[in-house]
Amino acid sequence: DTEVTQTPKHLVMGMTNKKSLKCEQHMGHRAMYWYKQKAKKPPELMFVYSYEKLSINESVPSRFSPECPNSSLLNLHLHALQPEDSALYLCASSLVRDASQPQHFGDGTRLSIL
Amino acid sequence: DAKTTQPNSMESNEEEPVHLPCNHSTISGTDYIHWYRQLPSQGPEYVIHGLTSNVNNRMASLAIAEDRKSSTLILHRATLRDAAVYYCILSSAGNNRKLIWGLGTSLAVNP
Repeated sequence: DTEVTQTPKHLVMGMTNKKSLKCEQHMGHRAMYWYKQKAKKPPELMFVYSYEKLSINESVPSRFSPECPNSSLLNLHLHALQPEDSALYLCASSLVRDASQPQHFGDGTRLSIL
Repeated sequence: DAKTTQPNSMESNEEEPVHLPCNHSTISGTDYIHWYRQLPSQGPEYVIHGLTSNVNNRMASLAIAEDRKSSTLILHRATLRDAAVYYCILSSAGNNRKLIWGLGTSLAVNP
């Protein structure tokens, strides 16, 4: 059982579509993360939010737009994506943003760009 | 960024102990050593972490070398459910506190 819930589980979209990925946690965690994972590779960090403020953007293209409406929710808005953006998108949370804190991951959204 | 090196794959038999090695020769004094695992079609799952001393929890044990340049994740009795990719990761207080992931060891467990 995962305590970080991601929806949808699967998403197929065209290059001109706009869609959003959603992530929710109710553990009282104040740090939330978006990762991208390609097949047989480790996850790559995209964005970090700490206390609902964007702390890290790992030079992600502007076609990915994160949003943290409150301490429990994290969204990733997608627009004009490219085929190479097809991947598993993972959300994670931790109590606070600290090197010693474990991160709790959702099971991801598998995104396919046509 | 400090890096970790792991064997690409390992094999074990059910109910036997498994020792998963990790080298991190460029680790700095503030880097934590984390282990996560990822079962097929799931997100990564936290296993254990430590800084200098050996650590035990209900899932596994973490043995850290005295010079901290290597560590070993120990699963005491492997089950079929332990078949997964195991990632050895460093997390630095000085590097924006990001997780620096290794490439992972794919563990197969034979019945």
